[in-house]
Amino acid sequence: DAGVTQSPTHLIKTRGQHVTLRCSPISGHKSVSWYQQVLGQGPQFIFQYYEKEERGRGNFPDRFSARQFPNYSSELNVNALLLGDSALYLCASSKETGYIEKLFFGSGTQLSVL
Amino acid sequence: GIQVEQSPPDLILQEGANSTLRCNFSDSVNNLQWFHQNPWGQLINLFYIPSGTKQNGRLSATTVATERYSLLYISSSQTTDSGVYFCAAMDTGRRALTFGSGTRLQVQP
Repeated sequence: DAGVTQSPTHLIKTRGQHVTLRCSPISGHKSVSWYQQVLGQGPQFIFQYYEKEERGRGNFPDRFSARQFPNYSSELNVNALLLGDSALYLCASSKETGYIEKLFFGSGTQLSVL
Repeated sequence: GIQVEQSPPDLILQEGANSTLRCNFSDSVNNLQWFHQNPWGQLINLFYIPSGTKQNGRLSATTVATERYSLLYISSSQTTDSGVYFCAAMDTGRRALTFGSGTRLQVQP
């Protein structure tokens, strides 16, 4: 079975632009979470979706939004990009049988904002 | 929210040595996981261990939830064990893992 897949792997944008990152969970997993990892730090939670509903939101501005589709894949959107948005964006999936258990991460999308 | 602290921040080992990484957390947790991030950025889940002890090959982990800490043991280390090890915890009622700042491990041949 394929693991969590993310696209694109790398992205370069300029300030003020908009970006869409995509994630496909492991087959059978209905929960998708997004994390941002700045160089030298641990990942920080952005969003969690289960059955197409937002179940958790981290401390990120409204420029960040996400959604989950009927096939459980997900998109993370960031508007009005800032230099500080440069980071590795990680998607994780889990089975979630009532509560979140083990998370499996994709390889991430490295976003550079110039 | 929950605070997660890891120690040591950096560790250099010779191949074949053993090591213990520690994770302290500030509140009750219902989810505690250990990850290894390789030099290419891939986060690999090593253990889901909210309590008790688990072993997987040369790696083992113990979480003492009542005392709010977890330990990751690496035995007979190999150069491929190099990378950053993260502990992450989720407190009751929340849906987010809070990560520690990691332990950067370098295993030298």
